[in-house]
Amino acid sequence: EVQVVESGGGVVQPGGSLRLSCAASGFTFKSNAMSWVRQAPGKGLEWVSFFPGSGYDPNYADSVKGRFTISRDNSKNTLYLQMNNLRAEDTAVYYCAKHYSGNWCFDYWGQGTLVTVSS
Amino acid sequence: QSALTQPASVSGSPGQSLTISCTGTSSDIGGYDYVSWYQQHPGKAPKLMIYNVSNRPSGVSNRFSGSKSGNTASLTISGLQAEDEADYYCNSYTRSNTWVFGGGTKLTV
Repeated sequence: EVQVVESGGGVVQPGGSLRLSCAASGFTFKSNAMSWVRQAPGKGLEWVSFFPGSGYDPNYADSVKGRFTISRDNSKNTLYLQMNNLRAEDTAVYYCAKHYSGNWCFDYWGQGTLVTVSS
Repeated sequence: QSALTQPASVSGSPGQSLTISCTGTSSDIGGYDYVSWYQQHPGKAPKLMIYNVSNRPSGVSNRFSGSKSGNTASLTISGLQAEDEADYYCNSYTRSNTWVFGGGTKLTV
């Protein structure tokens, strides 16, 4: 059974940092593209960052470029999102999403982890 | 990257059919057949309903169908059921190697 489980959310002050993790199982993680998607309270979905299944060519939404860094550890089947210089507008539930193999969409999502940026 | 445009809300009666539109540009919807649709119930994670414009993943009811014309994609739900009441989001791959979602449509049955 495919599973992706996020962790690492919490409350952080503006300007602070947080690292999210996404533990994956039930599929060949090392060859599968992954993304982070977020949802601010009461708002819609926003794609945040992408890491390909092979090679190293991550990409970011303009709203987080230069502040967030996506990475993965294939030996641990884990995806990460390092978030620096956090702002109030980064407050959201962050979802880890598996890309549907060979397709440009997201077929499995975690339950999300809440990040709250507040003083 | 601007969000794709969806109606904020739609409503229908059980058994009816309805269509949710999603409008983008030639840099996203119009440029690629990589449109997908997601259903999200309150407090739950999104669920993939349609991918590559009109394909249904295994396990998704054939009451859901998708199409595209130019820069506009559409999700049609036939034989509306109470369980279809949810938020629906369209998504497209873009020329910038990024992804963009629509603002979401709240479906009331």
